[in-house]
Amino acid sequence: QQQVKQSPQSLIVQKGGIPIINCAYENTAFDYFPWYQQFPGKGPALLIAIRPDVSEKKEGRFTISFNKSAKQFSLHIMDSQPGDSATYFCAAGLEGYSTLTFGKGTMLLVSP
Amino acid sequence: DADVTQTPRNRITKTGKRIMLECSQTKGHDRMYWYRQDPGLGLRLIYYSFDVKDINKGEISDGYSVSRQAQAKFSLSLESAIPNQTALYFCATSVAGRAHNEQFFGPGTRLTVL
Repeated sequence: QQQVKQSPQSLIVQKGGIPIINCAYENTAFDYFPWYQQFPGKGPALLIAIRPDVSEKKEGRFTISFNKSAKQFSLHIMDSQPGDSATYFCAAGLEGYSTLTFGKGTMLLVSP
Repeated sequence: DADVTQTPRNRITKTGKRIMLECSQTKGHDRMYWYRQDPGLGLRLIYYSFDVKDINKGEISDGYSVSRQAQAKFSLSLESAIPNQTALYFCATSVAGRAHNEQFFGPGTRLTVL
């Protein structure tokens, strides 16, 4: 079964902290690893994505770290803000094939 | 703005009733998806369609059916709703072709089956 395991299930950090969310996958054929952000009452939206030819990708305060040999990837949020409070989903897929396998999500709360 | 819309946004129904959730998009995307979201279980794929003539089962298709009426419309039906189908349902779309994996989600439909 093509699973993506995500941890932790929930996370509370203070403003300015660096929350880290981890994901592990099983299928070595996966070659596309996105993170989606979901605010309450909204649908998920793409936050940042990485492909396995690089080990790190940064977009603003958000960074994906990717370890191909360990089949793991993680999301780091630098200088976290209360507005970052949301549910974050990692996912994995095959480039160009469109279907994604999602992790179970992490509820992040950034306290003021 | 090009968008993904879902109707209804909220629905309460009784066990055994037939329910249809509708999804429309103005993005011009060929590919459409239905997911359900449950607390602690994340997003699970129910059905997906890569074009009007293509329908595929996802991870959890039992108890559901779909119809792709047009490129822009993809409906999800529960023929005989049961309480464990109470969930948040999302429609999503994506562009066909290599390197276009981003999925665009609608606002969701909250379904409660009593």
